[in-house]
Amino acid sequence: KAGVTQTPRYLIKTRGQQVTLSCSPISGHRSVSWYQQTPGQGLQFLFEYFSETQRNKGNFPGRFSGRQFSNSRSEMNVSTLELGDSALYLCASSPGTSNYGYTFGSGTRLTVV
Amino acid sequence: EDQVTQSPEALRLQEGESSSLNCSYTVSGLRGLFWYRQDPGKGPEFLFTLYSAGEEKEKERLKATLTKKESFLHITAPKPEDSATYLCAVRPLSNSGYALNFGKGTSLLVTP
Repeated sequence: KAGVTQTPRYLIKTRGQQVTLSCSPISGHRSVSWYQQTPGQGLQFLFEYFSETQRNKGNFPGRFSGRQFSNSRSEMNVSTLELGDSALYLCASSPGTSNYGYTFGSGTRLTVV
Repeated sequence: EDQVTQSPEALRLQEGESSSLNCSYTVSGLRGLFWYRQDPGKGPEFLFTLYSAGEEKEKERLKATLTKKESFLHITAPKPEDSATYLCAVRPLSNSGYALNFGKGTSLLVTP
């Protein structure tokens, strides 16, 4: 059974640019969540999508956005990148209909220079 | 405000030396408490979900327990391969959907 796949694994961008990260959840999982992980703040929730609808959103500026497609694949976008956006971005999937533990992908390491 | 605090931040054990990691939480109501293990350069790996005070779950050398204010992850006779960061997270009643509030983790090093 394939796990959660995130692409790309590594990314280097310049301040002011925008970036799109991709996540393919486990087959059959309808909930996809995104988290930002930094050494100082730990794991912080960005947003969650369920059946193409944003179900929950964390305390991040509007530069961070996401979407989910009909096949449950999800993308997140960060516009006007800042140095502080450098982080490991993790995607997690769940069936979405019970208190099932999330399965995380390996993440995308974003470096903003 | 929902909060999760883990202690200690770092722990160094010798192989075979049992210990416990603590996760204290303050939430308006608890849908579930989760334990994850994270190795360097990888995403968190799910270990346990606990739902109500008094509940316990075990997996190999790990045992997780839950009270109304905290959870413990007991590690019995650890091995070097248990070295990792252990993360605790809560799913509060105030969060619709599946948003988890994570603690900052305990970095565990087990030496031979």
